[in-house]
Amino acid sequence: QQQVKQSPQSLIVQKGGISIINCAYENTAFDYFPWYQQFPGKGPALLIAIRPDVSEKKEGRFTISFNKSAKQFSLHIMDSQPGDSATYFCAASGGSQGNLIFGKGTKLSVKP
Amino acid sequence: DSGVTQTPKHLITATGQRVTLRCSPRSGDLSVYWYQQSLDQGLQFLIQYYNGEERAKGNILERFSAQQFPDLHSELNLSSLELGDSALYFCASSVVLGGEQYFGPGTRLTVT
Repeated sequence: QQQVKQSPQSLIVQKGGISIINCAYENTAFDYFPWYQQFPGKGPALLIAIRPDVSEKKEGRFTISFNKSAKQFSLHIMDSQPGDSATYFCAASGGSQGNLIFGKGTKLSVKP
Repeated sequence: DSGVTQTPKHLITATGQRVTLRCSPRSGDLSVYWYQQSLDQGLQFLIQYYNGEERAKGNILERFSAQQFPDLHSELNLSSLELGDSALYFCASSVVLGGEQYFGPGTRLTVT
């Protein structure tokens, strides 16, 4: 029940295209869903996050879509750029402690 | 730059040894989290401290321990090291419990 399942494992997108990464969770106590971007040799960087009271959140080219009934959420990267090539992790947490449960990651490659 | 600092950046040691990893949270952040990242296990939560007190434990081995000091910096102690302990160790901090977590650059531990 603590798992967060992420797909796909890897993704190749052309420059200017839309990148879509999906995550699913089982624990209904989760109430915070962030996405992190990680470049090789660096720590994960917080990209965007959502709470279950909204179904969508947009920040620049990055959008989170959240479906509470399906227990799924996704990251959309519009107008993908080669600089977006990185590994993306979804995560979830619930309760007052806030420790994150991470998905396995998606390696995104944006071809010029 | 997230504002979270970790030292050392790299650490190479032998099996059976003990090492200490250090983390300084962002200014004003009271909560510190430790995570381990390995190829097979992904990003896994180890332990969390809030204002000097342990608040949550994850998949942390008994050979590992941590503490948070009055100045809020934290140390992760790894003892009786095994080859399988080779991984990236990240520290993250947040202002409050359950708040947005910002990750440091990590410490790469190699056990030979």
